[in-house]
Amino acid sequence: NAGVMQNPRHLVRRRGQEARLRCSPMKGHSHVYWYRQLPEEGLKFMVYLQKENIIDESGMPKERFSAEFPKEGPSILRIQQVVRGDSAAYFCASSPQRIGGIYEQYFGPGTRLTVT
Amino acid sequence: KNEVEQSPQNLTAQEGEFITINCSYSVGISALHWLQQHPGGGIVSLFMLSSGKKKHGRLIATINIQEKHSSLHITASHPRDSAVYICAHSNYQLIWGAGTKLIIKP
Repeated sequence: NAGVMQNPRHLVRRRGQEARLRCSPMKGHSHVYWYRQLPEEGLKFMVYLQKENIIDESGMPKERFSAEFPKEGPSILRIQQVVRGDSAAYFCASSPQRIGGIYEQYFGPGTRLTVT
Repeated sequence: KNEVEQSPQNLTAQEGEFITINCSYSVGISALHWLQQHPGGGIVSLFMLSSGKKKHGRLIATINIQEKHSSLHITASHPRDSAVYICAHSNYQLIWGAGTKLIIKP
C-alpha cells in the first residue's frame, strides 16, 4: 500500500507564475489536508477536503490560493501569481473515513516551492 | 497564547539518556498527536492518543486529559533520534506546537 504521494518534490517558479502541487492520498483515504511550513517555522493548517468538497479552508489565504479534490485523481493546491513569500514546504496528509471523531493523518514527503 | 505549548524548545543530550518532551494544550480535544520531522523535512506520525499511554519501541507517549498535558519519552536515546518532535491536537485539522528540536550526541 503506497503512502501519500506528492509531486513535484521540488518546484521553482518565477514571481507571477502559477504553481500546481499534487497530492495522491493513501489508497482508501477520502480526506486530504494541506499544511504549509515557512522556513524556520512550524506547520500551519491550510485546507481540509473530502472528495469533491472543501470542508474547511480557514487557513488558506483568500487570494491566489485554491484547492480541489476531484472525484477522480489527486488533490491539487494551486497558487496563482506566486510571490517570494509563497516559498515554503507544502505538506499534504490523508486520513481514512472518520471513525469516532479521531483521525490518524499520514503525511506525504512535501513539495518545496521556491519562488525566484 | 498558542493553543499548544511545548517544552523545552531545544534539547541536547548524550546518547543513552532518557528524554522527556512535554506538551500542554488549552482546549478540549479529540486526540493528541506526536509527530517527528527529520532534518530532511519528512514528517512521521508517531502516536495518536486520546487517553492513557502508548508504547512503540523506545518511544512512550502519555496523556492526562484532566490536566491537558502529554509527554513523549525516549528511552536509551540514540543519535538517529535527533529530529524535531511536534505535538499537535486535532478535531480534524492539526493545531501544531512549535516543536522541540532534539539533538543526541554520540
